[in-house]
This record gives sequence, structure tokens and C-alpha cells, in this order.
Amino acid sequence: DAEITQSPRHKITETGRQVTLACHQTWNHNNMFWYRQDLGHGLRLIHYSYGVQDTNKGEVSDGYSVSRSNTEDLPLTLESAASSQTSVYFCASSEGITAQETQYFGPGTRLLVL
Amino acid sequence: AQKITQTQPGMFVQEKEAVTLDCTYDTSDPSYGLFWYKQPSSGEMIFLIYQGSYDQQNATEGRYSLNFQKARKSANLVISASQLGDSAMYFCAMRDLLTIGIHGGSQGNLIFGKGTKLSVKP
Repeated sequence: DAEITQSPRHKITETGRQVTLACHQTWNHNNMFWYRQDLGHGLRLIHYSYGVQDTNKGEVSDGYSVSRSNTEDLPLTLESAASSQTSVYFCASSEGITAQETQYFGPGTRLLVL
Repeated sequence: AQKITQTQPGMFVQEKEAVTLDCTYDTSDPSYGLFWYKQPSSGEMIFLIYQGSYDQQNATEGRYSLNFQKARKSANLVISASQLGDSAMYFCAMRDLLTIGIHGGSQGNLIFGKGTKLSVKP
């Protein structure tokens, strides 16, 4: 079955280190998204991609970057981790280009920055 | 401006009873989609149900139905015959043409509400 996976599922890192969170989907979806989830804020969009070589900033993109070299993967990089980036990170993907298109989410990555 | 409002931070329901989770939205776009997701304590986000702005009928998926009142801009989730496994956070989300990125088109991104925590009592 097609799916979307994230790794690692849990990560502890130190302030200032570079961290990369992986997201891989096997649906062959063009659209991929990264969100962070924090108490009191719900899910907020970090970056998104509508296809290979395409990346765009979301609502809370400062301190994060993404790259899209193939359809299946959209890794999220924290250039220099900060304690404020302690959060749960979700990757999502969708197939189509309509406002009605459903996004399907990965299992999430819990990141703790000490 | 906040586009999705879930006014109930937490709710309790007795097992086997029905429960309604509220969601109101704000958009000036005639074309939009409304979504509900469930997040159990294990953390994953599970898609439940979708309602399109042009849909004439309320969406239904098993025990889930969406009470869509377009004029009031509300899209409440109704869960019938609650089960213990329904205990979770529930998020309402919307996508409209006005939440799109710089590329234009209708590949808009989801805007989420802050969620409602539902607890089902045995």
C-alpha cells in the first residue's frame, strides 16, 4: 500500500546543530507539505512544494529549509536548531491541484532541542 | 485573520451518544474545501471527512457526518454512536483559493483550527 513515512520518529538535539527530518511518500503525489504542531497553535505550515525543484515558504519558515530533488522526498532541515523549534513535525502530501484535494499526513516526528 | 475557529477546547460525551464538534470558517472565496482530521493520543493525523463548498448534500462517512451550513459559515462534525476509540483531538481545516502560494492556481494550503479534545466516557 502507498504511504507516507517520516524519520526519525523521535529526535533529541542540541542548540546550534543542524538537523534534517526525512519525509518519503509512495503515492507519487506532486504536492508535499511540512507543518509543525504546538500547543495552542494547532498546525502551522512551514514549507511546501508543488513538484520537483519547487519549494515555497509557509507561515513559519524562518530557520527551516527544504529541497525537492525527486517526487517522493521532501527533507526538512533546521539550519541551526533553537529551543523554540522543539515541536512535533508533520509531513503531508496531496495529489491534485484543486481546493478540494485531501492532504494525507505522515506519523510525525517529535523533536526536542536542548 | 484567523480563518478557522473551533470554540470548544474540550468536550465530553457518553459512550453510544452522538456529539457535535463545532467549526466556523471565514473566507470570501466561493470555492473552498473543508476537512476534519482526528489525532489520537498516538499522534498521527487521520483524515475523516471532506465537504466542498459547492456540494449540495452534507458529507457522510460511516459514523461521521458534516453539518454544513454555508450561510452561517459553519461545518460542524457530528459523530454518531460514540465509541471509546473516538477519544482524540479533532481538527477542522479549510483550503480556499486565497490560501494559495505564490504560484497561483488552486493548490492552496490547509489552514487549521486549534482543535477540540473529545473524551468519550464509558
